[in-house]
Amino acid sequence: NAGVTQTPKFQVLKTGQSMTLQCAQDMNHNSMYWYRQDPGMGLRLIYYSASEGTTDKGEVPNGYNVSRLNKREFSLRLESAAPSQTSVYFCASSTRGDLIPHFGDGTRLSIL
Amino acid sequence: QQQVKQSPQSLIVQKGGISIINCAYENTAFDYFPWYQQFPGKGPALLIAIRPDVSEKKEGRFTISFNKSAKQFSLHIMDSQPGDSATYFCAASYKTGANNLFFGTGTRLTVIP
Repeated sequence: NAGVTQTPKFQVLKTGQSMTLQCAQDMNHNSMYWYRQDPGMGLRLIYYSASEGTTDKGEVPNGYNVSRLNKREFSLRLESAAPSQTSVYFCASSTRGDLIPHFGDGTRLSIL
Repeated sequence: QQQVKQSPQSLIVQKGGISIINCAYENTAFDYFPWYQQFPGKGPALLIAIRPDVSEKKEGRFTISFNKSAKQFSLHIMDSQPGDSATYFCAASYKTGANNLFFGTGTRLTVIP
């Protein structure tokens, strides 16, 4: 029972490079989320998808795009990476209306 | 601005002691208050949660105390163990859907044997 799977686990990029972070869940959840976690900042919502076919901005969407590929998969894209986007990125999912997101183990991204 | 303020940033407790982490909020519309536990290299996992119609909720060694009038809530870990060493996040939400879930800044707990 995998839950929420994120790939890759680690990545180093150069400023200006692009990258897509992948996320897949096997819990048949409707809603999926992307958070970033920074020291002293807690977790902040980047984008979310309440259901397949919809996406909405969260608290810190600038510099990111998302795609809800199907019910299982939700990807996060950095078009032109900046050092300020160095962070740990977490994908999460929940049933529709559920207040309890289930998190993956994160992607640690460093941008030089 | 930070919707949920959490303190302390770090905490060191002897084995068997009580760990206390505090959180405060301003938005009176918040109606769900979960705590998450995160081990190094892992994602946060729900530990315990409370709604404002009760003042305390206990699950094993973990207790949430909630003070609605003061807009504060806290996590107490009784008989703290080295295995409890982790980062703890409080959070608050005011509507259905985890897109309305706001996290505190986290407390790194270290329990010394």
